[in-house]
Amino acid sequence: EAQVTQNPRYLITVTGKKLTVTCSQNMNHEYMSWYRQDPGLGLRQIYYSMNVEVTDKGDVPEGYKVSRKEKRNFPLILESPSPNQTSLYFCASSLSGTGGDGYTFGSGTRLTVV
Amino acid sequence: AQSVAQPEDQVNVAEGNPLTVKCTYSVSGNPYLFWYVQYPNRGLQFLLKYITGDNLVKGSYGFEAEFNKSQTSFHLKKPSALVSDSALYFCAVSFSGSARQLTFGSGTQLTVLP
Repeated sequence: EAQVTQNPRYLITVTGKKLTVTCSQNMNHEYMSWYRQDPGLGLRQIYYSMNVEVTDKGDVPEGYKVSRKEKRNFPLILESPSPNQTSLYFCASSLSGTGGDGYTFGSGTRLTVV
Repeated sequence: AQSVAQPEDQVNVAEGNPLTVKCTYSVSGNPYLFWYVQYPNRGLQFLLKYITGDNLVKGSYGFEAEFNKSQTSFHLKKPSALVSDSALYFCAVSFSGSARQLTFGSGTQLTVLP
């Protein structure tokens, strides 16, 4: 089944403790992206990747890192999480970077930073 | 810069009545327009998209949307609402050649009352 898999689904952590949210897609998609969803703000893009070793900032990149060493994986790293990073996070992938393919989304990761 | 506006945070409609969820956009160039739906505790699911061609686009679950270039709108419609249509709906926009892919609106919570 074609899908984007995120782990974990739920995570509670303490301020300053480094964490990684994994994302993997099995569709050989070139384009991958991370979004955070907050009430009343919709989805805001954190980082995106056009292909292996090619990443760039989205609208809200502060406090996050990403890497794209393999085509299928695009982990999101929070080096020193803070409470304002409490949110619902989605990974998404797309066939290409042309803008017209739309996304396939993961099921989401609900992160709480205390 | 591209942007999307969903002017209604909440839309309530009686079961069996027609529904409309509004979306307007701003983008340089020809837009690619999308609707996604999010059910509780789930990721976003693709409903339909407009890339080019017929202004009336039909999608999943009986939904359709009409692209209106002069009004820069892409409203989501369904002739007869079901209680199971109750969910959070997101409009999104991109354009040809966009490396940033999709920009999302803030979302509209649709409630269909039995």
